[in-house]
Amino acid sequence: GQQVMQIPQYQHVQEGEDFTTYCNSSTTLSNIQWYKQRPGGHPVFLIQLVKSGEVKKQKRLTFQFGEAKKNSSLHITATQTTDVGTYFCAGGPDSNYQLIWGAGTKLIIKP
Amino acid sequence: KAGVTQTPRYLIKTRGQQVTLSCSPISGHRSVSWYQQTPGQGLQFLFEYFSETQRNKGNFPGRFSGRQFSNSRSEMNVSTLELGDSALYLCASSLGPRGQGNQPQHFGDGTRLSIL
Repeated sequence: GQQVMQIPQYQHVQEGEDFTTYCNSSTTLSNIQWYKQRPGGHPVFLIQLVKSGEVKKQKRLTFQFGEAKKNSSLHITATQTTDVGTYFCAGGPDSNYQLIWGAGTKLIIKP
Repeated sequence: KAGVTQTPRYLIKTRGQQVTLSCSPISGHRSVSWYQQTPGQGLQFLFEYFSETQRNKGNFPGRFSGRQFSNSRSEMNVSTLELGDSALYLCASSLGPRGQGNQPQHFGDGTRLSIL
């Protein structure tokens, strides 16, 4: 079946270091979405990418959608404690089907 | 605009019982999706409803069912509860006319279900 693989599962960083999570789909996606879930909270929509090769920025966050529309990445520059949480990607293979979710990457700031 | 509202927030049941969870979407949103979240399994899609019809369904047994009312509110029901059903159940709404695969999802706070 259709899958979206997300790596790594966990990433430990010192505050101020960068963080990146990657998603790879087994099939071409019509769009990819990114969500953040804070500890004890619910997923919150961050952004949607629809175009091949698209790059979008939100302050320290940079989102990319691959040329083949099969992979995506989220990069955070100079992490802060407020960035802690789990980041999920979710791909839409077709608008008629449900989103396919990655397993999430948990960002942990080392004390 | 009020967000997605889920009730109850917490629920404790015993094995064999059944449970009904409720979700009120954002005003104007016509699609409601349900997810199960457990610590080791991430977000697992249960089903999606649009205009009172189930539009998509995940790989869960028939003990899990849902419905949507004409005001877009949705309920999900789990019968013959098992220990493994302990999880956070999340509801998400979206505008809906286009399929869920293309719509940003707006989540509620969830119902935390514990089975004893």
